[in-house]
Amino acid sequence: KQEVTQIPAALSVPEGENLVLNCSFTDSAIYNLQWFRQDPGKGLTSLLLIQSSQREQTSGRLNASLDKSSGRSTLYIAASQPGDSATYLCAVNGNQFYFGTGTSLTVIP
Amino acid sequence: ETGVTQTPRHLVMGMTNKKSLKCEQHLGHNAMYWYKQSAKKPLELMFVYSLEERVENNSVPSRFSPECPNSSHLFLHLHTLQPEDSALYLCASSQDIRPDTQYFGPGTRLTVL
Repeated sequence: KQEVTQIPAALSVPEGENLVLNCSFTDSAIYNLQWFRQDPGKGLTSLLLIQSSQREQTSGRLNASLDKSSGRSTLYIAASQPGDSATYLCAVNGNQFYFGTGTSLTVIP
Repeated sequence: ETGVTQTPRHLVMGMTNKKSLKCEQHLGHNAMYWYKQSAKKPLELMFVYSLEERVENNSVPSRFSPECPNSSHLFLHLHTLQPEDSALYLCASSQDIRPDTQYFGPGTRLTVL
């Protein structure tokens, strides 16, 4: 069974700092990998989707990379803002979506 | 209108109650999903429907009963739940069943007393 791990579990940074969130998975036979954002008590918002044939995707201040062979993905957030505070979830899509437990990010003004 | 809506947003029920959660998607998708999100645990896939047919049931207890009357609506009927069933229940949809991206609703926060 696919296992998805996200490190760190929680992260607190000052506003303006660049940061990296990590996601690792055990089975490299995937179709794609998706990063989501979840605000407290709310549903998930899709941020970036990387197909298995791609190495990275960018959207604004966000950049996600994928190294399928090593089972790793990173989400890079540039120039962090207080509005970026949320939980970030990584989901690996094989025969179904497998989620990590997330990284809770706090950006301090 | 938000792509995927869920009602109610909050629900408190006793262990002997019967209640239903509703999900509606306005995206023209063919696949719908129910997930359970408990504190400190990854999202757990419960049920998958494709074109109104159930295609996956991940060993979910029978006290949870899904219903998909059409491709836009999905229900989760609840009966004789346990306190450990308290969680955030999320509905999602995708254009077709795997491997497409999924779009999530806001969830229903369920508390079982």
